[in-house]
Amino acid sequence: QLQLQESGPGLVKPSETLSLTCTVSGGSLSSSSYYWGWIRQPPGKGLEWIGNIFYSGSTSYNPSLKSRVTISVDTSKNQLSLQLSSVTAADTAVFYCARHSYYFYGSGRYYYLDVWGKGTTVTVSS
Amino acid sequence: SSELTQPPSVSVSPGQTAGITCSGETLGDKHVCWYQQKPGQSPVLVIYQNKRRPSGIPERFSGSNSGNTATLTISGTQAADEADYYCQAWDSNTAVVFGGGTKLTVL
Repeated sequence: QLQLQESGPGLVKPSETLSLTCTVSGGSLSSSSYYWGWIRQPPGKGLEWIGNIFYSGSTSYNPSLKSRVTISVDTSKNQLSLQLSSVTAADTAVFYCARHSYYFYGSGRYYYLDVWGKGTTVTVSS
Repeated sequence: SSELTQPPSVSVSPGQTAGITCSGETLGDKHVCWYQQKPGQSPVLVIYQNKRRPSGIPERFSGSNSGNTATLTISGTQAADEADYYCQAWDSNTAVVFGGGTKLTVL
């Protein structure tokens, strides 16, 4: 059974870089059938998509975060990584990694997020 | 990027049918999926491609999409269905966009 587990520091100082890892078990990040990505949820608020990556390294990012985000994949370790730079208190959130199943419809590549990790809470504070 | 608008809250009596809407410009031309999130838990996909149910999702969950509005319908609503529900669609700029979420209360 596929499982995703997020890990990383629970506390990050303002202006620093937030770094998280998602370890995938029971499946392979090298599969061409899926993308893999990150979503965050500030306390008491809704979901915000951060971005995703294909095993080849091809990425897509939310334009609102694109200048600060890097998503990478290490297929040898079956791990997905997120880096978010220059963080502020507004970046405090629960961060989830999720498998993105995809297909093509019309002019777009559609995703649905069918497997999620349990999430990890990151607080930005000095 | 496209905005998806959901009502903040919906209430339903046990056993009745709940409808949660998601509105967006020309949304009917796109595919929509829906997630259920219970307090302290990760979201769970309940509908994808407008109306398909993943394995393990009860038949009482159904979806439709037409015009500018997609609807998640829960028939015979149970107390266990009380949760936040999010719609999600494709956007040419953002790729993945979520609605603001709807809190379903089963009274």
